[in-house]
Amino acid sequence: NAGVTQTPKFRILKIGQSMTLQCAQDMNHNYMYWYRQDPGMGLKLIYYSVGAGITDKGEVPNGYNVSRSTTEDFPLRLELAAPSQTSVYFCASRGGRLPNEKLFFGSGTQLSVL
Amino acid sequence: GQQLNQSPQSMFIQEGEDVSMNCTSSSIFNTWLWYKQDPGEGPVLLIALYKAGELTSNGRLTAQFGITRKDSFLNISASIPSDVGIYFCAGVHGSSNTGKLIFGQGTTLQVKP
Repeated sequence: NAGVTQTPKFRILKIGQSMTLQCAQDMNHNYMYWYRQDPGMGLKLIYYSVGAGITDKGEVPNGYNVSRSTTEDFPLRLELAAPSQTSVYFCASRGGRLPNEKLFFGSGTQLSVL
Repeated sequence: GQQLNQSPQSMFIQEGEDVSMNCTSSSIFNTWLWYKQDPGEGPVLLIALYKAGELTSNGRLTAQFGITRKDSFLNISASIPSDVGIYFCAGVHGSSNTGKLIFGQGTTLQVKP
């Protein structure tokens, strides 16, 4: 049982490049999330999904896209990378129904856009 | 949109002291959660609160769900060096089945031995 697996751990992009951050969970969780964390700040919700085929915007969705074709995978796509997207990205999942609110986090992806 | 305001932003205390931090919102939340994040790691759940007025403990940690459902606080008693980290409140707005979970800005705690 690997939990939530995020790849890559580190990446440097040039302005205008695109990339996909991968996230996979093996706990059969319905709910998956992408957050970004800027230095000294809290986590900002980018996108989330309540199940396969269903995604919705969070607090800071601009510049990102997601898809959820399977329960296990929730990739985050950056189409035209900008310096403002330099951040640490966390993927998370949870089972969903009360009282199971425990959110399982991946180990994070540190992204720099130069 | 919903926003969680967490205070204080940072605290530097002596080992053995008690700590208190809080989280407020202009919106009503149905669930309040408190997380701790160690350097280089994702946040880990400490306490979950589901009802207005609820008071829940987890060892030296105690958290309360405010009566108005717009605030929550976390207390840490008799702090120890391993309490160092960033503490986040998080809220689920509306039904938990909507899935939307947002975080406060965090309180950075430093404990001097």
